[in-house]
Amino acid sequence: TQLLEQSPQFLSIQEGENLTVYCNSSSVFSSLQWYRQEPGEGPVLLVTVVTGGEVKKLKRLTFQFGDARKDSSLHITAAQPGDTGLYLCAGARNQGGKLIFGQGTELSVKP
Amino acid sequence: EAEVAQSPRYKITEKSQAVAFWCDPISGHATLYWYRQILGQGPELLVQFQDESVVDDSQLPKDRFSAERLKGVDSTLKIQPAELGDSAMYLCASSLRGMYNSPLHFGNGTRLTVT
Repeated sequence: TQLLEQSPQFLSIQEGENLTVYCNSSSVFSSLQWYRQEPGEGPVLLVTVVTGGEVKKLKRLTFQFGDARKDSSLHITAAQPGDTGLYLCAGARNQGGKLIFGQGTELSVKP
Repeated sequence: EAEVAQSPRYKITEKSQAVAFWCDPISGHATLYWYRQILGQGPELLVQFQDESVVDDSQLPKDRFSAERLKGVDSTLKIQPAELGDSAMYLCASSLRGMYNSPLHFGNGTRLTVT
């Protein structure tokens, strides 16, 4: 059973389109992180959210943590080919708790 | 920017052989993690160290896997004997503290293929 469910698993879009990736759980998390991973490399942290309802923006990327801290979303505006990669959400259920990763969303942005 | 170093980058081995992976975390990072990632999936934690002590190895297949971080700095992950199902990317990560909101810094991993 996957503790963090990401959807969609695969997403192929054209440059300039908008998209949203979801990360859902039935459990409450103390914090949630989003990573992006390119082929052959390790994941790189994009953002950490810790407060229910929190919204963070990173250029064209908008991250939201659900009010109940059970879910999160990543919205990309005007996607570019450089956004292509595997997007991973990861949550910790308590302080010092291990980080649990979702299965990832494979995004492909075609020029 | 300091990086987490891993070697080798690629390893091909026959089943039943022994393999070892090495990781050097970012200087000063007390917490070190080994993750296994199957292609197209999220990383799965194998073992977490705080300094030289194991904090969590609940998902480590201890009959064949071992990990050590003797001086609390670099770490080695060993598999003996390797099985076909061990083919995956093995990622090392470190963080300043093992706190819930402390970001993980990943190395570029070791891609293991067992034939």
